Amino acid sequence: DQQVKQNSPSLSVQEGRISILNCDYTNSMFDYFLWYKKYPAEGPTFLISISSIKDKNEDGRFTVFLNKSAKHLSLHIVPSQPGDSAVYFCAASPGTGFQKLVFGTGTRLLVSP
Amino acid sequence: DAGVIQSPRHEVTEMGQEVTLRCKPISGHDYLFWYRQTMMRGLELLIYFNNNVPIDDSGMPEDRFSAKMPNASFSTLKIQPSEPRDSAVYFCASITGGRGYTFGSGTRLTVV
Repeated sequence: DQQVKQNSPSLSVQEGRISILNCDYTNSMFDYFLWYKKYPAEGPTFLISISSIKDKNEDGRFTVFLNKSAKHLSLHIVPSQPGDSAVYFCAASPGTGFQKLVFGTGTRLLVSP
Repeated sequence: DAGVIQSPRHEVTEMGQEVTLRCKPISGHDYLFWYRQTMMRGLELLIYFNNNVPIDDSGMPEDRFSAKMPNASFSTLKIQPSEPRDSAVYFCASITGGRGYTFGSGTRLTVV
């Protein structure tokens, strides 16, 4: 049972445009959400996170939005750059303190010049 | 800091053989995780350790899989016997508190 779902396996965007990656979750206990970015032949690296007490978190070109009622979060990249081409994983964690992360299946983003 | 170090980077083995994957976490990190990445299921947690003690191995798919952490600087994931469906990329990650994992570069396992 996939508790964190990324329904779009791939996304293609032109350089300079906005990339929007989506993620849905089913477990209402999740209260902390993260996005990881993965290049080929490398491990995933942390990109940005958001706590359930917020609905938006911004870091440079990257913004994560959280809609708790819909159990949905999204990652916006503006403007998109060719170097952003990678696989993006959404992850979620329940409760307070340390909890193991549950990851989605990933979305492959391709930003073309 | 050298980060989380995994070896080997690539492993090709024949069905039925034993495979051992290795991980050296970041010094001082007291949690260690083994994940498996497949197209169908994304990143699946197999097992994690806290202070060298296995805490949750509910993600280990079968008895053919076992993991150990004999000390704070070393962990192994063993598959015996290996099967073609075990082909995947296996990641090790470590943290100390918080929720931001540091991943290794992974081991790509191919079982033929």
